[in-house]
Amino acid sequence: KQEVTQIPAALSVPEGENLVLNCSFTDSAIYNLQWFRQDPGKGLTSLLLIQSSQREQTSGRLNASLDKSSGRSTLYIAASQPGDSATYLCAAPTQGGSEKLVFGKGTKLTVNP
Amino acid sequence: DVKVTQSSRYLVKRTGEKVFLECVQDMDHENMFWYRQDPGLGLRLIYFSYDVKMKEKGDIPEGYSVSREKKERFSLILESASTNQTSMYLCASSFFGNYGYTFGSGTRLTVV
Repeated sequence: KQEVTQIPAALSVPEGENLVLNCSFTDSAIYNLQWFRQDPGKGLTSLLLIQSSQREQTSGRLNASLDKSSGRSTLYIAASQPGDSATYLCAAPTQGGSEKLVFGKGTKLTVNP
Repeated sequence: DVKVTQSSRYLVKRTGEKVFLECVQDMDHENMFWYRQDPGLGLRLIYFSYDVKMKEKGDIPEGYSVSREKKERFSLILESASTNQTSMYLCASSFFGNYGYTFGSGTRLTVV
């Protein structure tokens, strides 16, 4: 059964710092992995979807990587800003190319001015 | 701008009431999902639908049912609301083949 873990549960950094959020998964036979952002009391906003063939995906200051062999994905945020403060969740298919996702519990990021 | 719309942001219902949560998507997605999100437990799948009138139980279907009469609309039904169903409910949709989920803005349900 797929399990997705995100460590740390919370992270506080000063503005301008580059940072890495970690996501690990137990079943590496996945077709893709998705990163989301959630602001307090709101729904999830999709940030990046990495296909297993891509290994990396970039959007603006965000870069996500996927290493299936080690069961890990990282989300890199460059030059962090207070507006980046939110909870970041990763999600992987329950198995292979399953339509259903298993979510990590998220990393709550606070960027201090 | 493509959207998943949940009909209510906040809802307060009484114990024992029958509650309907509505979700509509305008992206012609085949798949639709209902999750609930609770502190410390994360997101848990309640039900999944991969086509009109097709549904599959998720991890925590007890106390819930769903309806999908049209492709764009997926309803979650709490047959007899209980206080332990107080939660944030999130609807999502995706194309068949899992090319990424799009979520609605969520419904915060309080059962008193």
